[in-house]
Amino acid sequence: KNEVEQSPQNLTAQEGEFITINCSYSVGISALHWLQQHPGGGIVSLFMLSSGKKKHGRLIATINIQEKHSSLHITASHPRDSAVYICAVRADSGAGSYQLTFGKGTKLSVIP
Amino acid sequence: EADIYQTPRYLVIGTGKKITLECSQTMGHDKMYWYQQDPGMELHLIHYSYGVNSTEKGDLSSESTVSRIRTEHFPLTLESARPSHTSQYLCASSLYTEAFFGQGTRLTVV
Repeated sequence: KNEVEQSPQNLTAQEGEFITINCSYSVGISALHWLQQHPGGGIVSLFMLSSGKKKHGRLIATINIQEKHSSLHITASHPRDSAVYICAVRADSGAGSYQLTFGKGTKLSVIP
Repeated sequence: EADIYQTPRYLVIGTGKKITLECSQTMGHDKMYWYQQDPGMELHLIHYSYGVNSTEKGDLSSESTVSRIRTEHFPLTLESARPSHTSQYLCASSLYTEAFFGQGTRLTVV
């Protein structure tokens, strides 16, 4: 069982819809990352969270440390938001604390 | 904007060839990483480095090797490429907890 689980695996939305992608993890973490990967393969870091909530433009990320759960929200979705969104966690101690463990990603397609 | 670069972006090569995937960053980060990603699958760590002359193998076994002679440079080498090495390879660097990723190299071994 992967330590980082994302849902849904695939998501198709109409332009303008509010989108939520979920991430659950099973280990203690020092930080959680939300990443965006476009079809060309390059990855962009969207957020790094250790508590609470962050907002950047139409993107909002929240994390609940007690429940080991994070959500990424996209408001007023647009076709250019189509990408794979990846959740990654950094362990809070030990040799793994400098390394990221990744979810399988959520493939989002926004239709005009 | 992150300054981490990978070359080449795409590579098609024959079985048995030696190849080196380049990764460079201009941010002065000590920590650098190589990840392998098969289509539709999660990224897996294959190598990492905490600084010059420091390299370690990651979670996923890989036949590749790496070197870290300079802070800014972390090349990955396959001595004899095989079709099973066909994958995407992503390089990343970090200073503290935030990670920066390169654009990736999509390798196809025929």
